[in-house]
Amino acid sequence: GNSVTQMEGPVTLSEEAFLTINCTYTATGYPSLFWYVQYPGEGLQLLLKATKADDKGSNKGFEATYRKETTSFHLEKGSVQVSDSAVYFCALSALYSSASKIIFGSGTRLSIRP
Amino acid sequence: ETGVTQSPTHLIKTRGQQVTLRCSSQSGHNTVSWYQQALGQGPQFIFQYYREEENGRGNFPPRFSGLQFPNYSSELNVNALELDDSALYLCASGSPAGVADTQYFGPGTRLTVL
Repeated sequence: GNSVTQMEGPVTLSEEAFLTINCTYTATGYPSLFWYVQYPGEGLQLLLKATKADDKGSNKGFEATYRKETTSFHLEKGSVQVSDSAVYFCALSALYSSASKIIFGSGTRLSIRP
Repeated sequence: ETGVTQSPTHLIKTRGQQVTLRCSSQSGHNTVSWYQQALGQGPQFIFQYYREEENGRGNFPPRFSGLQFPNYSSELNVNALELDDSALYLCASGSPAGVADTQYFGPGTRLTVL
């Protein structure tokens, strides 16, 4: 079946450090891949997405590349800020019967120290 | 373009009661999905509605039911509440049905069952 496995947290970094959060997936077919972010006390916001192999999604300095050969979609940012502190979810979109559903990883909590 | 909205923000119920949560989809979207996010976990797919009919269901019992209205607003109903139903309930809208694509999430309703 379809599943997402992501790096366990929490991850604590200093401001301006380089960030990588690993994500791998198992899927039949060719799913779309996503990173969602959840700030404290809020719902999910779409951070970036990629819809086919070798696509790179990017937003707010974050990037992730759809790697079909390694079934990975690792999230990276060159210089993190305190405001990036949140929980990050890797996810894929799969068809289930005729419904489109999002399958999420367990989330990685990121804390950035000033 | 308006985003996804949900009401109420917070809700406290007692075991055995029934609850109705509401969602207004993003303009132009014709599917609405509901997810349950337990504390410290990723969201889990409950079901999806398209053209006012259930279009797919995750691993949730029949006491979780829903409605979609012609204006694409939606309700999630949960009967015979259990303590484990305490969670953040997220509504997501997307378009079109039958395509694995992006879903946009509302801020959620936090349900506490005592």
